[in-house]
Amino acid sequence: TQLLEQSPQFLSIQEGENLTVYCNSSSVFSSLQWYRQEPGEGPVLLVTVVTGGEVKKLKRLTFQFGDARKDSSLHITAAQPGDTGLYLCAGDSSNYGGSQGNLIFGKGTKLSVKP
Amino acid sequence: SAVISQKPSRDICQRGTSLTIQCQVDSQVTMMFWYRQQPGQSLTLIATANQGSEATYESGFVIDKFPISRPNLTFSTLTVSNMSPEDSSIYLCSVRTGVYEQYFGPGTRLTVT
Repeated sequence: TQLLEQSPQFLSIQEGENLTVYCNSSSVFSSLQWYRQEPGEGPVLLVTVVTGGEVKKLKRLTFQFGDARKDSSLHITAAQPGDTGLYLCAGDSSNYGGSQGNLIFGKGTKLSVKP
Repeated sequence: SAVISQKPSRDICQRGTSLTIQCQVDSQVTMMFWYRQQPGQSLTLIATANQGSEATYESGFVIDKFPISRPNLTFSTLTVSNMSPEDSSIYLCSVRTGVYEQYFGPGTRLTVT
C-alpha cells in the first residue's frame, strides 16, 4: 500500500517565522502535488513537481521534490496569517496500476499563523 | 486551470434518503473524478466519471451506493443513496486538465442525521 506521511500534523507559529512541512513515502511517484485547503472549501492546487530534485518557488513558498521522487518538502519564509490552512501533499499513483486521477493524499499539516 | 462549481454546497439529510450532487466545469475535460473527505481525514477517490460509459469505482465503493452520471464533458452527478450517518463527509468533484495538474471543486458538505 502506498502511503504518504506528512509531518508535522499540526504547526502553530508566529507571524514572520519560517517553517518546513515534509511529505515522505517509500514509493516513487511520477508527480507530486501540494494543495492548501481552508475550512469549508476544496483543496487549491499550489504546485506540481515532476522531476527528481526539482525546486519550485511560489512567492514565499519553496517546494522541493526529492532526488528519488519519494519525498517532498514545502518551506514557507516569513509566514503570514493568510498562510493559515491545511496543507496536503498528493502523489500520482497511476504509474503503479492505480487509476489515473487516483491521487494518494497525505493526512495534511494544519498550519496556524498567529499575528 | 479549471473553474469547478458544485451544488449543493451543503445539505442535512435524513437517514435512508438519497442526495444528488452536481458538478459543473467551465471547460471540456476528459478526466473527472469524485472524492470523499471524511471528518478530520484526508481525501479518498470514490470513482472516475467516464463520459458515455459507466463510472470506474475504487475498491470499497459500489455503483448501487454511489451512482454517477457523466452526460457530457463539462458535467457530472454523484448520488449518495440510502444514506446513513457514516456517509457524513465532504464530497469533492475533481478534474485533470493536463498531464499532472488536478483541480478540485469547493465541495459539498453532507450531514446525515
